[in-house]
Amino acid sequence: EVQLVESGGGLVQPGGSLRLSCAASGFPFTSAWMSWVRQAPGKGLEWVGRIKSGGTTDYAAPVKGRFTLSRDDSTNTLYLQMNSLKTEDTALYYCIAVITGTAAHPYFDSWGQGTLVTVSS
Amino acid sequence: EIVMTQSPATLSVSPGERATLSCRASQSVSSNLAWYQQKPGQAPRLLIYGASTRATGIPARFSGSGSGTEFTLTISSLQSEDFAVYYCQQYNNWPPYSFGQGTKLEIK
Repeated sequence: EVQLVESGGGLVQPGGSLRLSCAASGFPFTSAWMSWVRQAPGKGLEWVGRIKSGGTTDYAAPVKGRFTLSRDDSTNTLYLQMNSLKTEDTALYYCIAVITGTAAHPYFDSWGQGTLVTVSS
Repeated sequence: EIVMTQSPATLSVSPGERATLSCRASQSVSSNLAWYQQKPGQAPRLLIYGASTRATGIPARFSGSGSGTEFTLTISSLQSEDFAVYYCQQYNNWPPYSFGQGTKLEIK
């Protein structure tokens, strides 16, 4: 069974930092593309960033230069380092795995339950 | 960046009736479109990929159609558990992977 378990969310002041983790199991993590998607309270879905198998990363414009994705294939863990946080980064952050999808068709087939990040003074 | 626009924002339908949700892309995304369902307090769940292929375990009452810039999600006979928010997403031109703003399907 595929499991994606996020952790690390919490309350942080504007300008602060936070690191989210996503523990993955039940699928070949090493070969999976992984993404983070966030959802502000009462709002829609927004893609944050992606890391391919092998480590290449891409980011959405609002977080580029502030957020960094990384992965540890030895522990099947995905990370999201968030720096210079802004109030508009407040959201539920979902960890996503592309498992049945492919590099040409990377739809989001597996989602974690999310971890809440609140940026407020 | 490709912009995805869903309509309507809210759709009121009675149980047992058919629901039709629309999604439009600002430029062609071929058939590289997915639909997700999100119930309150839950993570989104993949329903449809490749514009028309149901994901594993998705009931046959859910169907997707379209290509290029116009797409439709149809639920043939609404069950109580189908009332939720539905999002479309393109994965043809990325990054970014862009989502529509969602359609809330509510009980009439």
